[in-house]
Amino acid sequence: DTAVSQTPKYLVTQMGNDKSIKCEQNLGHDTMYWYKQDSKKFLKIMFSYNNKELIINETVPNRFSPKSPDKAHLNLHINSLELGDSAVYFCASSNRGNEQFFGPGTRLTVL
Amino acid sequence: SQQGEEDPQALSIQEGENATMNCSYKTSINNLQWYRQNSGRGLVHLILIRSNEREKHSGRLRVTLDTSKKSSSLLITASRAADTASYFCATVNSGNTPLVFGKGTRLSVIA
Repeated sequence: DTAVSQTPKYLVTQMGNDKSIKCEQNLGHDTMYWYKQDSKKFLKIMFSYNNKELIINETVPNRFSPKSPDKAHLNLHINSLELGDSAVYFCASSNRGNEQFFGPGTRLTVL
Repeated sequence: SQQGEEDPQALSIQEGENATMNCSYKTSINNLQWYRQNSGRGLVHLILIRSNEREKHSGRLRVTLDTSKKSSSLLITASRAADTASYFCATVNSGNTPLVFGKGTRLSVIA
């Protein structure tokens, strides 16, 4: 009965690799988000999708590409990983403007 | 761009005391939300207050909003050790764009 789930929970990989993080929500929300939380705990929006359409794309390197196959899924693919990509990535969902429900996070470590 | 700014950055109190955290923001908002994050976990929504509301309660939580001062406060009464967490305010502006988070207040409740 998990509301927002992310996989994997931990991801350790080498620089230059390509990796994906998956997110699914079973709340029937129309909007999904990806956030990045850095080591100082600052939480920053990366992408926002509403009904499978990209509505927010903050200043994020184009190595990051979100993909939304349907309203319940928003996956994050990262190409050519760099050391600075190490962070915790959170997926969230909501009906626009209302409270957001967050996944448990994916801790990415790039070596 | 960062919208909410929490104050203080860190707060340490004894169990049973009240904890007050403040949030200031810069632009007009549709609503303001408070979230809690336990260490290593995702964010959990606590309370949402709309721009036409001045005060809201939920259990031991009391949130106020002063749109003229562009500020909000979160009061946790009779704190417990389990309240130890980081607390974030986040705003949704008039265009219903995604949440913009502050850097959070780290609350430590000592038993």
